[in-house]
Amino acid sequence: DAKTTQPPSMDCAEGRAANLPCNHSTISGNEYVYWYRQIHSQGPQYIIHGLKNNETNEMASLIITEDRKSSTLILPHATLRDTAVYYCIASHYNQGGKLIFGQGTELSVKP
Amino acid sequence: KAGVTQTPRYLIKTRGQQVTLSCSPISGHRSVSWYQQTPGQGLQFLFEYFSETQRNKGNFPGRFSGRQFSNSRSEMNVSTLELGDSALYLCASSPDRTGGDEKLFFGSGTQLSVL
Repeated sequence: DAKTTQPPSMDCAEGRAANLPCNHSTISGNEYVYWYRQIHSQGPQYIIHGLKNNETNEMASLIITEDRKSSTLILPHATLRDTAVYYCIASHYNQGGKLIFGQGTELSVKP
Repeated sequence: KAGVTQTPRYLIKTRGQQVTLSCSPISGHRSVSWYQQTPGQGLQFLFEYFSETQRNKGNFPGRFSGRQFSNSRSEMNVSTLELGDSALYLCASSPDRTGGDEKLFFGSGTQLSVL
């Protein structure tokens, strides 16, 4: 699986959009980009994933560059409850439950 | 639908003992994965079970083992505990629909402390 690089920490004002970048310059053509987040003392929570098209769901939007070397997770209106560690993972489809988690980005949403 | 349930939530053991952790996946989910999370190493994949068979394995010593029952419930066992085994152990389940993408649903974990 391709290695991903994320900033260790970011701040965001409550109510503003949080844009979390991820670099995956060695991603292969059949690797998906997954985003999970982990709120303190809980298990990781799936957010969104995509292959090459931009994706949106009720939690977030995922923007993947055309060359697929980087992506951005967008939380459109961040709330204090979005404070968490966000993990960007590049993984082949159907890896049988095996995800390689990096160190993630610690997002702090401030009032 | 009930989420992934892990028991116990907290556990304290001493070096040399063994421990068994339990995981009940979401109803209908057939794949169960286990992860170890420590401050130093982060989240690391241990192994995955599907239809009572270990399908995938991470780089952990043989002291770490698991099994899955016919109702998809899973247990993991750590024998001869070491201080470094202190960690949050997370279980995740997924439907594993053939041809479908897989999202993992995690439990809240079991916090194991080895003294």
